[in-house]
Amino acid sequence: GAGVSQSPRYKVAKRGQDVALRCDPISGHVSLFWYQQALGQGPEFLTYFQNEAQLDKSGLPSDRFFAERPEGSVSTLKIQRTQQEDSAVYLCASSFTGSMGPQHFGDGTRLSIL
Amino acid sequence: GENVEQHPSTLSVQEGDSAVIKCTYSDSASNYFPWYKQELGKRPQLIIDIRSNVGEKKDQRIAVTLNKTAKHFSLHITETQPEDSAVYFCAARADRGSTLGRLYFGRGTQLTVWP
Repeated sequence: GAGVSQSPRYKVAKRGQDVALRCDPISGHVSLFWYQQALGQGPEFLTYFQNEAQLDKSGLPSDRFFAERPEGSVSTLKIQRTQQEDSAVYLCASSFTGSMGPQHFGDGTRLSIL
Repeated sequence: GENVEQHPSTLSVQEGDSAVIKCTYSDSASNYFPWYKQELGKRPQLIIDIRSNVGEKKDQRIAVTLNKTAKHFSLHITETQPEDSAVYFCAARADRGSTLGRLYFGRGTQLTVWP
């Protein structure tokens, strides 16, 4: 594809609901990253995959957050029992040459928890 | 972990003037420094990056300088145009160790270029 694709672009959920956010990286990109961007802030790292292996999940804020990339391509970020503080833009980035390459971002999913 | 500070938080310039955004970092292991431009509601777009073995890099109207000793790096935009208006983020990354691959971002600079 032409770039990193994320869906949905916008998601509104009630507090306590579960949500799933999808990321389609650039074809052939080995590494995939999830970041959380609060309003007026820079992105903050959540987790990192190399192919299907989740190499770093230390940025996930709680055990309600879970990410997977089972076939080494598409990734899903799941948030269980959502809370208002989960409201943010969730950005996905991919990189061709592993952890050391430039990261290219998608447009993000804007999540609003009511 | 790494801490990236970015200044100023807002910057207004007249079209044709230059703009400079400065960042500092704390982790001497950081060796890769990208800059992203983010327009409202859009994705962060990589505009230029520099590695620690290089002191300066230029791409048309955009340049980045790096001072490893002082742990700071700067973005320079010359001959600014209204379409340069956006939020600019600096970031730092260490390509080894437990934080492999992770980008640490500054808080952003809102650049406004007045016609």
